Amino acid sequence: DIQLTQSPSFLSASVGDRVTITCRASQGINSYLAWYQQKPGKAPKLLIYAASTLQSGVPSRFSGSGSGTEFTVTISSLQPEDFATYYCQQLSSYPLTFGGGTRVEIK
Amino acid sequence: QLQVQESGPGLVKPSETLSLTCTVSGASISSNNFHWGWIRQPPGKGLEWIGNVHYGGATYYNRSLSSRVAISLDTPRNQFSLKLNSVTATDTAVYYCAARTIAAGGWFDPWGHGTLVTVSS
Repeated sequence: DIQLTQSPSFLSASVGDRVTITCRASQGINSYLAWYQQKPGKAPKLLIYAASTLQSGVPSRFSGSGSGTEFTVTISSLQPEDFATYYCQQLSSYPLTFGGGTRVEIK
Repeated sequence: QLQVQESGPGLVKPSETLSLTCTVSGASISSNNFHWGWIRQPPGKGLEWIGNVHYGGATYYNRSLSSRVAISLDTPRNQFSLKLNSVTATDTAVYYCAARTIAAGGWFDPWGHGTLVTVSS
């Protein structure tokens, strides 16, 4: 199975900060990676697919990059509504797997 | 607009079978545009993929659950279902259904709101 390791697992930041979350795969997955945002009590919401394509309606302050085994999602200027938990997911092969999550909290 | 919504009992006794249904609206589950999946999240923990059923009926499961899980299509009702047998307290979680686009490396979108299933006597 392909393991996904997210770092950091917890991040404390201020409004306006630039934030980067990393997801590393245990083997190459091309660009078959998605990022989801989850707020407390809510279902995950798709942010980015195919490693770097922004889902319709997602603010342009979010961006994704990477291929192979290393991927990042960056928030260029953190907004109050961005405080949430972020998960990566590999969609290269079954069984599909998620990263452990990164919780972004207000400093 | 494609939507999915989970339904089913919120309480299941240990050793019994958890059964959930996902109702799809805005698309036919037998069309060749989507696959259909289940994901769960234990309280306070991360996401765990349970399995997928493809529009043609093929299924793929998480190895750790494969001996206890079955996902199937109900085409006339435009629903798909999850059955997980021999449940224990560790199966307590919010269960989500979601659509997966059939594109290579297809992603999950949309997701249902989720339904909490508690395993307890």
